[in-house]
Amino acid sequence: DQQVKQNSPSLSVQEGRISILNCDYTNSMFDYFLWYKKYPAEGPTFLISISSIKDKNEDGRFTVFLNKSAKHLSLHIVPSQPGDSAVYFCAASNTGNQFYFGTGTSLTVIP
Amino acid sequence: SAVISQKPSRDICQRGTSLTIQCQVDSQVTMMFWYRQQPGQSLTLIATANQGSEATYESGFVIDKFPISRPNLTFSTLTVSNMSPEDSSIYLCSVETGGSGNTIYFGEGSWLTVV
Repeated sequence: DQQVKQNSPSLSVQEGRISILNCDYTNSMFDYFLWYKKYPAEGPTFLISISSIKDKNEDGRFTVFLNKSAKHLSLHIVPSQPGDSAVYFCAASNTGNQFYFGTGTSLTVIP
Repeated sequence: SAVISQKPSRDICQRGTSLTIQCQVDSQVTMMFWYRQQPGQSLTLIATANQGSEATYESGFVIDKFPISRPNLTFSTLTVSNMSPEDSSIYLCSVETGGSGNTIYFGEGSWLTVV
């Protein structure tokens, strides 16, 4: 059973607008979350993380929001750029050691 | 969708030995990927395994240390050879589906501890 879910397989956004990628999880014990960016057939690139003691973490154009009561996190990219077009997947952990992964959302930023 | 089964899920290995991890997918996929996730660190791609050809290794990983087999479209193995404590890690296999590889599935991982 998938413990981490990304229910939107794809998303298209106009350049300069905000991209919002969503991730839901089922295990309330998860306390650390990551977002990765990935191009097909390449290794993933770590983007941003958040621990459960926070509800927001910001790094440049990337902000991750965590809603523990809803077991939901989201990644905001603003402004979106064509180079942001990639697959984004989230990961969650309850120990910092083993992670559970979402299946990804393919983001297309339209110039 | 794709369901991935990995074996073993956990093992404790003696220094200098080798262990083979198996990855079985419930559907045919062209490319399978092997990753390492060391404690507290993010994912690192080890190699890409295509059926019928040699695996492609990322920088820092070599075939002698991590030989890979890909005998058919649903199965792959990764061997961690001559293990040292630095090889203690979670090893994950992954597949991508969809026309542009935009859906990613991971196995639950094989957690190896080398003593």
